[in-house]
Amino acid sequence: DVKVTQSSRYLVKRTGEKVFLECVQDMDHENMFWYRQDPGLGLRLIYFSYDVKMKEKGDIPEGYSVSREKKERFSLILESASTNQTSMYLCASSLSRTGGNEKLFFGSGTQLSVL
Amino acid sequence: SQQGEEDPQALSIQEGENATMNCSYKTSINNLQWYRQNSGRGLVHLILIRSNEREKHSGRLRVTLDTSKKSSSLLITASRAADTASYFCATDETSYDKVIFGPGTSLSVIP
Repeated sequence: DVKVTQSSRYLVKRTGEKVFLECVQDMDHENMFWYRQDPGLGLRLIYFSYDVKMKEKGDIPEGYSVSREKKERFSLILESASTNQTSMYLCASSLSRTGGNEKLFFGSGTQLSVL
Repeated sequence: SQQGEEDPQALSIQEGENATMNCSYKTSINNLQWYRQNSGRGLVHLILIRSNEREKHSGRLRVTLDTSKKSSSLLITASRAADTASYFCATDETSYDKVIFGPGTSLSVIP
């Protein structure tokens, strides 16, 4: 089975800190995604990437950046963490965009608290 | 932008009953997917239905898609306590290269 690993299950940071959330997938998937999940709002797409060194903005990219230097790793960066970025962050990957391979595989999530 | 909207927001049923959740969306899609999330965990893919398909089955799951109404339904038959979870629909829009999720339906199956 595909494994998507997020580096931390729980993370507590202070306002203004730079925060790195790491995600690694082990099945050579082309596509990787970062979502945040908040109660009542469902999952909202922050950034996604369809290839190494490629990134596209999702619906809520403000305050975030991403890095994909290697195919298996997709990092989410909070340049200066703020309290409104307290949330569950979910990373996902998919094999490709076509041919029945579009289904997403999710990591277990990182619950980030910004104090 | 939120593409999919699930209905109802919450559903509580007795074990053995059927559970039906609905999803509506706004734009043209390539496919629609349903996912399950157990409390505080990542999402697990359940089923994918393409825009040219009308119905799909997987075990106790049945998904329908009506592109004219821009809606889908997920039916779980003979529900079990282990089906207690949140269920999300996700759409792969034709206009954009991204997968958008709805807010989800919280299902409680009472033993």
